[in-house]
Amino acid sequence: ETGVTQTPRHLVMGMTNKKSLKCEQHLGHNAMYWYKQSAKKPLELMFVYNFKEQTENNSVPSRFSPECPNSSHLFLHLHTLQPEDSALYLCASSQDLISGGMGGEQYFGPGTRLTVT
Amino acid sequence: DAKTTQPPSMDCAEGRAANLPCNHSTISGNEYVYWYRQIHSQGPQYIIHGLKNNETNEMASLIITEDRKSSTLILPHATLRDTAVYYCIVRGWGQGAQKLVFGQGTRLTINP
Repeated sequence: ETGVTQTPRHLVMGMTNKKSLKCEQHLGHNAMYWYKQSAKKPLELMFVYNFKEQTENNSVPSRFSPECPNSSHLFLHLHTLQPEDSALYLCASSQDLISGGMGGEQYFGPGTRLTVT
Repeated sequence: DAKTTQPPSMDCAEGRAANLPCNHSTISGNEYVYWYRQIHSQGPQYIIHGLKNNETNEMASLIITEDRKSSTLILPHATLRDTAVYYCIVRGWGQGAQKLVFGQGTRLTINP
């Protein structure tokens, strides 16, 4: 496997379910990100992790709970979601947080298409 | 981060060069210009970035004006697979620079 992988690719869940999204990067990067893309809206940054430590929570509701056990893996735990949380959830990684040129580019996974019923 | 302005949509014939403009008139000296694209329902794909010199890689060329207030992404021989939304993003470096702020981008359609 190369690049950034995400599983599952599609997920349908009820509002009372608990599920988790998984992201894995095979690039040796130190920073990982969760983004949300709702229909016809720009990507919104949700969380940032650097060397397993969370450095940013962009006012995300507590029903979304991230976990970063190591620099290669990132999870997004979901519980008690609302229908408006239906969206494409994207994971990304980069070499680090501070590089502006080479090393500053982010590499994205294919995303998980989430539908909350 | 500086705001960017892009046309909402563009069309280009297959095999021709696609030139996508971006205005970033408030860019500051330490901010880079990044280009990403997103093919329908996939994750965004990094294309290229530059600071002040023109850049070229296997995917595209980036032309940045001397005053750095605008740039153009050039896909030299567009194919149908280049149909996507293209995002121009200006981003600095250093602590707190990790955010990529995505706007609406330009929806590029390559026509056969």
